[in-house]
This record gives sequence, structure tokens and C-alpha cells, in this order.
Amino acid sequence: QQQVKQSPQSLIVQKGGIPIINCAYENTAFDYFPWYQQFPGKGPALLIAIRPDVSEKKEGRFTISFNKSAKQFSLHIMDSQPGDSATYFCAAKVNGGTSYGKLTFGQGTILTVHP
Amino acid sequence: DAGVTQSPTHLIKTRGQQVTLRCSPKSGHDTVSWYQQALGQGPQFIFQYYEEEERQRGNFPDRFSGHQFPNYSSELNVNALLLGDSALYLCASSLQGDPLENTIYFGEGSWLTVV
Repeated sequence: QQQVKQSPQSLIVQKGGIPIINCAYENTAFDYFPWYQQFPGKGPALLIAIRPDVSEKKEGRFTISFNKSAKQFSLHIMDSQPGDSATYFCAAKVNGGTSYGKLTFGQGTILTVHP
Repeated sequence: DAGVTQSPTHLIKTRGQQVTLRCSPKSGHDTVSWYQQALGQGPQFIFQYYEEEERQRGNFPDRFSGHQFPNYSSELNVNALLLGDSALYLCASSLQGDPLENTIYFGEGSWLTVV
């Protein structure tokens, strides 16, 4: 019940395309859903995050769509650039209780944006 | 504003040895979590420290231990190293009193290779 399932494992798009990465969860106690971007040899960097009381959040070229009833959320990258090539992780967290502060990560999606 | 800093960045140890990794949280943060990221996988939660106490723990054996100091910095210790302990070890920091209670930042990680 603590799992977060992420798909696809890898994704290749052309510059300007809109890659979409999907995540699904089971634990309805999750109430915070961040996305992290990780470049090779680096730590994950917080990209954007959403809480379940909103269905969409946009920051720059990055948009999260959230479907609470389906227990799914996705990341869309508008006008993708070669510099966006990285591994993307979705995650989920429960606030409070015994799971306070613990992030549960998806398996990651390797995104390649061709020039 | 200093982010999360970790040391060392890379190290090689022999099976059976012990290792200590260090982390300084982002300025103003008081909570430190440690994650293990195997190659090609998402980070896995090891444990979290707040007010110098281990607050919660993931599914890791007792060979993994930690400590938090009064200045909020933290150490991760791994005893009796196994080949399977080879991974990127990530430190993450957050603020207990953050109104959002959510924002978690990661360091660049410490690459541990066990031979």
C-alpha cells in the first residue's frame, strides 16, 4: 500500500514535444505529491509539487495533473528542451503520524529530448 | 543560502568494513532524512532524525545507524558492509515547523562502492 508506480520507464521525444509521465498510488493517506528531477551523478532536485485539494498546478513549463478519485497524477513538460533530458521521479508523502516526512518514490523515468 | 551538503562525495570500502557519511542540512532546516538509491532505482527511505532522535525508520537492518547533532547536522553509519550496500546515499532536509510541512531538499549524495 506504500508503493508508488511510475510509467513509462523511459521516454524519448523531439525538442518541442510534450512528454507525459504518469504515477499511481494506493495509499489514500498520501497528501503531498512532489516531482524530482535528477541528472547523472547528482541528487534529486525538487521540480514541482501538488496537494490533493487541487487538480492541476503549473510552474513554468512543468504542469502536474492530479486525479484524486483515480489515485493518479502526472507530469507534463511543455516545449521540452534537450536540457530537460534527465531522470524524473514522482513521490508521495503522508503528513503527520508515523509516516511523517517519509517520501515514497516511484521507479523513475529516463527522459531523452532530441534536438 | 547553503543547500544540503554531504561528504565525502565518493568512497570505496571493502566488504566487512564500516563507513560514516556526513550531512549538513539546508540553512534553517532541523530535520534530516537519509535515503539509499541503488543504480537505476528510486531512493529508498532509511531513517529520519529530528531533535537528535530517530523519528522513523524504513526497512533497513540495524547495520544502518545514524546520529543527529545539536547543530542539526547528521551522520549515517553502516557497519559490516556488504556488496549490496553499494549505492548513492542521499541526505534530505526539511523544516518541522514549515507551514507547508512538505518541502524536502536533497544533497548531491555520497557514492559508496563496496568491493
